[in-house]
Amino acid sequence: EDKVVQSPLSLVVHEGDTVTLNCSYEVTNFRSLLWYKQEKKAPTFLFMLTSSGIEKKSGRLSSILDKKELFSILNITATQTGDSAVYLCAVDPYNQGGKLIFGQGTELSVKP
Amino acid sequence: EADIYQTPRYLVIGTGKKITLECSQTMGHDKMYWYQQDPGMELHLIHYSYGVNSTEKGDLSSESTVSRIRTEHFPLTLESARPSHTSQYLCASSVSGAYNEQFFGPGTRLTVL
Repeated sequence: EDKVVQSPLSLVVHEGDTVTLNCSYEVTNFRSLLWYKQEKKAPTFLFMLTSSGIEKKSGRLSSILDKKELFSILNITATQTGDSAVYLCAVDPYNQGGKLIFGQGTELSVKP
Repeated sequence: EADIYQTPRYLVIGTGKKITLECSQTMGHDKMYWYQQDPGMELHLIHYSYGVNSTEKGDLSSESTVSRIRTEHFPLTLESARPSHTSQYLCASSVSGAYNEQFFGPGTRLTVL
């Protein structure tokens, strides 16, 4: 059965810290991996990763994929209270008609 | 502005009522999805559509039904709401193509008393 596992499930840090969120997957016919940020409402798209070893970067956020070891990490440097959210990892397999497989999310809380 | 909309944002209703959750997108996307998410839990796909007149059940069994008569509109209906239907319902859409970046609406938080 396809699955996506995120760790840790929750994390509390202080402003300025750097955090690393993990996402491992066991999915047949992998096509891409997506990261979303979910505050109190809808998930908002962060990154899509398709190739190993190529870092995607947006401001203080960056992410990389390892297709051999079947995982991805999301790094956030110099965290701010506005980074507090649930971070969702999802895998998009081929031949599933676009159905994403989501992990359970990592709840990040950044304290002032 | 291209976007995806859901109404109502919050709904509190009594057991046995029929409800329809609305979802509309102005991005011209072919694919649309409904997810159910309980607090602190992962998103579960309950319905999806590849285009007009196409609807499929998702991985999580649901007593709800959907329709796709227009590309931009994908409403979800519960014929008789029960407390077990209390949850957050998220609608999403994506363009047909090689990759499947899904865009989410703001969600409807449903409480059935």
